[in-house]
Amino acid sequence: GEDVEQSLFLSVREGDSSVINCTYTDSSSTYLYWYKQEPGAGLQLLTYIFSNMDMKQDQRLTVLLNKKDKHLSLRIADTQTGDSAIYFCAEIFGNEKLTFGTGTRLTIIP
Amino acid sequence: GAGVSQSPSNKVTEKGKDVELRCDPISGHTALYWYRQSLGQGLEFLIYFQGNSAPDKSGLPSDRFSAERTGGSVSTLTIQRTQQEDSAVYLCASSLVAGAHTDTQYFGPGTRLTVL
Repeated sequence: GEDVEQSLFLSVREGDSSVINCTYTDSSSTYLYWYKQEPGAGLQLLTYIFSNMDMKQDQRLTVLLNKKDKHLSLRIADTQTGDSAIYFCAEIFGNEKLTFGTGTRLTIIP
Repeated sequence: GAGVSQSPSNKVTEKGKDVELRCDPISGHTALYWYRQSLGQGLEFLIYFQGNSAPDKSGLPSDRFSAERTGGSVSTLTIQRTQQEDSAVYLCASSLVAGAHTDTQYFGPGTRLTVL
């Protein structure tokens, strides 16, 4: 089966950096994604990275990809209370469907 | 519309009843996806449509589940003879086209289904 793995919980002090990790399964995945889900809300696409890249930066977000180890990470700089949410990594598997990780609940400590 | 909308936002039903969940994609989006989010299974793909046809139904958990899309717009996910294990949040997403990996899938807020 295809399992995309993430740690379930992460707590970070406000102002520090958050690093959320993900291990994906399909080395032929062409794109990898990070989605954010706030309570009671749908999924919001944060960023994505093409598999031939190893880094992508977008404002406070930095995505690192280690294709050899099938490891993806999302770094959030200067973490704020509004960053509290569940973060899902996802890969395109097969054609168009997304395969999601288990989600990491990020809690911000004031 | 401004975003993907889904109705109802919450649905409570009794075991054995049929339910219909509706998704309105973003105007002009030709691809539409259904996912399910549950405690035990996480986020899982159910089915997607390109236009009115469904090339991939592999994620539908049983033959009690069906979906249709008419006019290349609204989609309905129907669950017949609901079971308690069907309780979950059903998420709909749409994108401009399917198969273009850079084409962002935009998600609706979901329908929370509770089967008593």
